[in-house]
Amino acid sequence: DAGVTQSPTHLIKTRGQQVTLRCSPKSGHDTVSWYQQALGQGPQFIFQYYEEEERQRGNFPDRFSGHQFPNYSSELNVNALLLGDSALYLCASSQTSGGHQETQYFGPGTRLLVL
Amino acid sequence: GNSVTQMEGPVTLSEEAFLTINCTYTATGYPSLFWYVQYPGEGLQLLLKATKADDKGSNKGFEATYRKETTSFHLEKGSVQVSDSAVYFCALGRANFGNEKLTFGTGTRLTIIP
Repeated sequence: DAGVTQSPTHLIKTRGQQVTLRCSPKSGHDTVSWYQQALGQGPQFIFQYYEEEERQRGNFPDRFSGHQFPNYSSELNVNALLLGDSALYLCASSQTSGGHQETQYFGPGTRLLVL
Repeated sequence: GNSVTQMEGPVTLSEEAFLTINCTYTATGYPSLFWYVQYPGEGLQLLLKATKADDKGSNKGFEATYRKETTSFHLEKGSVQVSDSAVYFCALGRANFGNEKLTFGTGTRLTIIP
């Protein structure tokens, strides 16, 4: 059973560019969350997608947007990149089922470097 | 708002030593509490969790008890191994909604020397 997968593993961009990161959830999961982990820090919640809609959002600007596809996979888009966007971007998947608590499983992350 | 405060690292121990990593939290209501571990070059893995006061989560020799009175969830292991070297994150989430947003601490880097 494949776990959460993310692509690409590494990415280098320059300021002002746009980037798209991809995530495939664990089999059977329908909910995808994205987190940003700056160097030496804990992950910060960006947003969560369920049923192809943004369900929750953290304190991130509109430059950060996302999408969820019918097969539950997801993309994270960041426009007008800033140096401060350099971080490890983590995707986590889980199952939303009748409000019961379900654990989030994390992917290996995409490391983004903005020059 | 919710917040998690973790013991600052890095922490260096000899193999077979006793480990404690402190974690305290601030939250409205009664959150669920988690410990995640991040090995070098990898994503986060759930180590253990507790969903209500006085619950003890345990896995791979690690334990943590949900203490409501002290708002704490300290991680302990009786005898650490070199393979336990990693970064450990304490996190909280809304009770009974474990797949909603998690609030993480800053992490504690643990190094075990043979």
